[in-house]
Amino acid sequence: QSVLTQPPSASGTPGQRVTISCSGSSSNIGSNTVNWYQQLPGTAPKLLIYSNNQRPSGVPDRFSGSKSGTSASLAISGLQSEDEADYYCAAWDDSLNASYVFGTGTKVTVL
Amino acid sequence: EVQLVQSGAEVKKPGESLKISCKGSGYSFTSYWIGWVRQMPGKGLEWMGIIYPGDSDTRYSPSFQGQVTISADKSISTAYLQWSSLKASDTAMYYCARQAAVAGEFDPWGQGTLVTVSS
Repeated sequence: QSVLTQPPSASGTPGQRVTISCSGSSSNIGSNTVNWYQQLPGTAPKLLIYSNNQRPSGVPDRFSGSKSGTSASLAISGLQSEDEADYYCAAWDDSLNASYVFGTGTKVTVL
Repeated sequence: EVQLVQSGAEVKKPGESLKISCKGSGYSFTSYWIGWVRQMPGKGLEWMGIIYPGDSDTRYSPSFQGQVTISADKSISTAYLQWSSLKASDTAMYYCARQAAVAGEFDPWGQGTLVTVSS
């Protein structure tokens, strides 16, 4: 059971801006950095954003991340058809049984 | 190029044992953690645990502690995930991924190993 909550779905037309939220707690997002992963259909996940708002080399700048308190967000501006995928937030959780936790996942559909 | 290559798909019967592998290349295998992530059919990602091949320090998710064993052979730059007695509920895609630090991001990921457990 995921401890990071995301909306199950989000959608937009090409060129629109889509935002995905990720809600956690003081033991995970509140005290550690947030990462975001993109999983295209039938493929392995890929790192999209690390350390809250950093993009790995090769990730388009239309993807951006932010964090405030115990929540984080991923924004996709200028939505493109190839952005249709599942998106997961993730963070380390410092609770009694320390572990890395993933969000519930959000399916982004390009209309 | 940093790469993780996983072993091929497996079809097993309940009660059988299994060990799948993840071979790293293009970087110092003993200087990074390797993690394992489960994705059941149509479901999200679940962190199973990590290992530091340099000293075999291993951490497990409470959900998977005692259910699987994570190991590594640094002489051949390969990490493993094994089961002693598979159940139908172990049917899933399993991914390995590299992690620079315990609380850090996973990058890159292996291509995944599909494990199917069926009688």
